[in-house]
Amino acid sequence: NAGVTQTPKFQVLKTGQSMTLQCAQDMNHEYMSWYRQDPGMGLRLIHYSVGAGITDQGEVPNGYNVSRSTTEDFPLRLLSAAPSQTSVYFCASSSQGQGGYTFGSGTRLTVV
Amino acid sequence: GDSVTQMEGPVTLSEEACLTINCTYTATGYPSLFWYVQYPGEGLQLLLKATKADDKGSNKGFEATYRKETTSFHLEKGSVQVSDSAVYFCALTDAGNNRKLIWGLGTSLAVNP
Repeated sequence: NAGVTQTPKFQVLKTGQSMTLQCAQDMNHEYMSWYRQDPGMGLRLIHYSVGAGITDQGEVPNGYNVSRSTTEDFPLRLLSAAPSQTSVYFCASSSQGQGGYTFGSGTRLTVV
Repeated sequence: GDSVTQMEGPVTLSEEACLTINCTYTATGYPSLFWYVQYPGEGLQLLLKATKADDKGSNKGFEATYRKETTSFHLEKGSVQVSDSAVYFCALTDAGNNRKLIWGLGTSLAVNP
């Protein structure tokens, strides 16, 4: 079972560039979310989705867009990268909420 | 709003020592409580959970009991191993949306041989 797959694992961007972080799950989970993890700040929710066609903002949505055209995929788009977006990004999914999340292995993004 | 407070790390122990990582929370309603573990270079994994007061979650020798009277969910293990070295996160379900979690900041554990 693949679980939650994130690509790429590492990425370096220049300020102002855009890119998409990919997230795919093969467990038919309806709930998916994106977090960023920064030292001393724990996990912060960027965006989440409760099903195909439905997305909502988390704590720190500025500078990021998401879409959910299928149950399986939940890409995160950085519109114009800034050094403040240097972080490790995690995608997570869940079948019925209640905290039983499955996490991807993360994307380490550096913006220079 | 709801929140989770974990003891600050890093925690450094010798192999076979006893472990307690404190977690307290403030919440409206009756949240579910969780411990997640993050090994170096990996994503988080659910370690254990408890969904109501006095429930005990357990997994891989770790235990935590949902204490409503003290609003706590402390993680314990009787004898740690080097392979337990990781960051441990306490979390609870958001009162307004039980699909969302509120996270503690994490506690780093290093176990020396």
